[in-house]
Amino acid sequence: QKEVEQNSGPLSVPEGAIASLNCTYSDRGSQSFFWYRQYSGKSPELIMSIYSNGDKEDGRFTAQLNKASQYVSLLIRDSQPSDSATYLCASSGGYQKVTFGTGTKLQVIP
Amino acid sequence: DADVTQTPRNRITKTGKRIMLECSQTKGHDRMYWYRQDPGLGLRLIYYSFDVKDINKGEISDGYSVSRQAQAKFSLSLESAIPNQTALYFCATSLGIGYEQYFGPGTRLTVT
Repeated sequence: QKEVEQNSGPLSVPEGAIASLNCTYSDRGSQSFFWYRQYSGKSPELIMSIYSNGDKEDGRFTAQLNKASQYVSLLIRDSQPSDSATYLCASSGGYQKVTFGTGTKLQVIP
Repeated sequence: DADVTQTPRNRITKTGKRIMLECSQTKGHDRMYWYRQDPGLGLRLIYYSFDVKDINKGEISDGYSVSRQAQAKFSLSLESAIPNQTALYFCATSLGIGYEQYFGPGTRLTVT
């Protein structure tokens, strides 16, 4: 059983729309959650970290955490073609264990 | 300047050869990690190190070894490369438990 689950996609959204990426995790001890963006053949780049329930906004990005439902999401407002990438969700719970999901591929259609 | 660097960036090698991938960081982080990424399988942890005296196996350490030469340097070795070790390899660093990880640019390794 995967510990961090993401829909592999692709998720297609038109330019200017809101993209909604979702992630569930199984380890109730997880305390820290991260969203990374990865372009094809490139390394993961940190977008957002979130540690407490609720929303955290940074520019066009909003991360949402619901620990009761074990659910993390990333909203991208005013999506641009340059946002087309794979988005990795990760959680950190117990001793040194950071678990990555396999990612959701986002396609922003001009 | 990049905070986490990896060399080489691309490498093609033959089955049975020994190969070393190197990682250096200027972030001052104690914790360093080696991952491999394969299509559809996501990132898988090979080894991680808390400091120069601490090395730990990850979920897929067989066929790999590591060396932490200094706080800033962490090397991954394939003692006898095999074709199914063809993958994208990433080094990462973090400040501590629960902190985000920062990745190097990656090494694309092909074993023929």
